[in-house]
Amino acid sequence: GNSVTQMEGPVTLSEEAFLTINCTYTATGYPSLFWYVQYPGEGLQLLLKATKADDKGSNKGFEATYRKETTSFHLEKGSVQVSDSAVYFCALSEGAGGYNKLIFGAGTRLAVHP
Amino acid sequence: NAGVMQNPRHLVRRRGQEARLRCSPMKGHSHVYWYRQLPEEGLKFMVYLQKENIIDESGMPKERFSAEFPKEGPSILRIQQVVRGDSAAYFCASSLGAGDTEAFFGQGTRLTVV
Repeated sequence: GNSVTQMEGPVTLSEEAFLTINCTYTATGYPSLFWYVQYPGEGLQLLLKATKADDKGSNKGFEATYRKETTSFHLEKGSVQVSDSAVYFCALSEGAGGYNKLIFGAGTRLAVHP
Repeated sequence: NAGVMQNPRHLVRRRGQEARLRCSPMKGHSHVYWYRQLPEEGLKFMVYLQKENIIDESGMPKERFSAEFPKEGPSILRIQQVVRGDSAAYFCASSLGAGDTEAFFGQGTRLTVV
């Protein structure tokens, strides 16, 4: 079945460091890909998405490119801030049946220190 | 426009009791998804409902769990005879339509079974 694998955390960085969180997927067909962020005690917020190969999703300085050849959707940010500390989830939409059923990775906790 | 509202935020139940979790989708949204997040894990799909209909319940445990989304009122996730393994965060998401539209998540209900 479809699945998402993302790098284990926690990832600890200093402010202004470069961030990469790896995400790879296994899927039949061509799913849409998402990154969600979860701040402490909160629900998930959509950070960015890409719906087809070579699409780049971007938001708040974060970027991820849908790579079909490597089945990857790695999250990057050039300069992290303390406020970026959260858990980041990579997900794909199975889309079967025409609805948005999401398959999530296990999440990667990011801690940014001043 | 209020977001997805879940209540209660925290729920404590003794083993054998019933837990009822409520989800009011965003205004105008008629599609609701329930996900469960076990400690230190990603979210797992449980069930997808449209108004008055269960469309996909492939992620629901076969016993003790049920969900509904009546014509009027919130969606309800019901867990009968709770056990310690049911302790988790339960998230509801809603979307305007099916397909590849964005799903908006609530803040979740954290169920603790003692």
